[in-house]
Amino acid sequence: DQQVKQNSPSLSVQEGRISILNCDYTNSMFDYFLWYKKYPAEGPTFLISISSIKDKNEDGRFTVFLNKSAKHLSLHIVPSQPGDSAVYFCAARGGGADGLTFGKGTHLIIQP
Amino acid sequence: GAVVSQHPSWVICKSGTSVKIECRSLDFQATTMFWYRQFPKQSLMLMATSNEGSKATYEQGVEKDKFLINHASLTLSTLTVTSAHPEDSSFYICSARVATGSSYNEQFFGPGTRLTVL
Repeated sequence: DQQVKQNSPSLSVQEGRISILNCDYTNSMFDYFLWYKKYPAEGPTFLISISSIKDKNEDGRFTVFLNKSAKHLSLHIVPSQPGDSAVYFCAARGGGADGLTFGKGTHLIIQP
Repeated sequence: GAVVSQHPSWVICKSGTSVKIECRSLDFQATTMFWYRQFPKQSLMLMATSNEGSKATYEQGVEKDKFLINHASLTLSTLTVTSAHPEDSSFYICSARVATGSSYNEQFFGPGTRLTVL
């Protein structure tokens, strides 16, 4: 049973535009959410996180929004740059587990 | 930022042999390290949580006798895949959590180890 879901396996966005990556979760006990960026054959790199008590966190070009009632979060990247092309994983902490629960990832492709 | 290394980065072994993978936190102390496994086009799946000086906690469905974890110091955790079989072929990634500081939730990931069992 997938507790963290990223329903879009891939997303293509034009350079300079906004990239919006979505994530849904089912476990209401999750208390912290994170986004990671990953290249093939490398470990994930932390991007941005948000506590469940907040609804927005911004860091430079990256903003994460959390809608607890809908159990939904999104990562906005603006403006999108070619170097943003990678697989983005949504992860959640809590729910009885000390480690992170990951989604399957969304492959973001930034087109020039 | 904090750096986590893994060794080896890639290993090929024969079926039935054992393989040890090391995870080191290079510039910080980690009381807790985590081991994940990722199959192609799948998410990272938590295998076990390793606390320094104590036994690892395994996730449901992960055989503790097959995946031996040792966290002997605050900077080193090892995962040994015993009697490896082709179905154990995967990408193994460790992460380390900073021992002190406010960002206790943040985990720093290693580069991963590609295991191929023939």
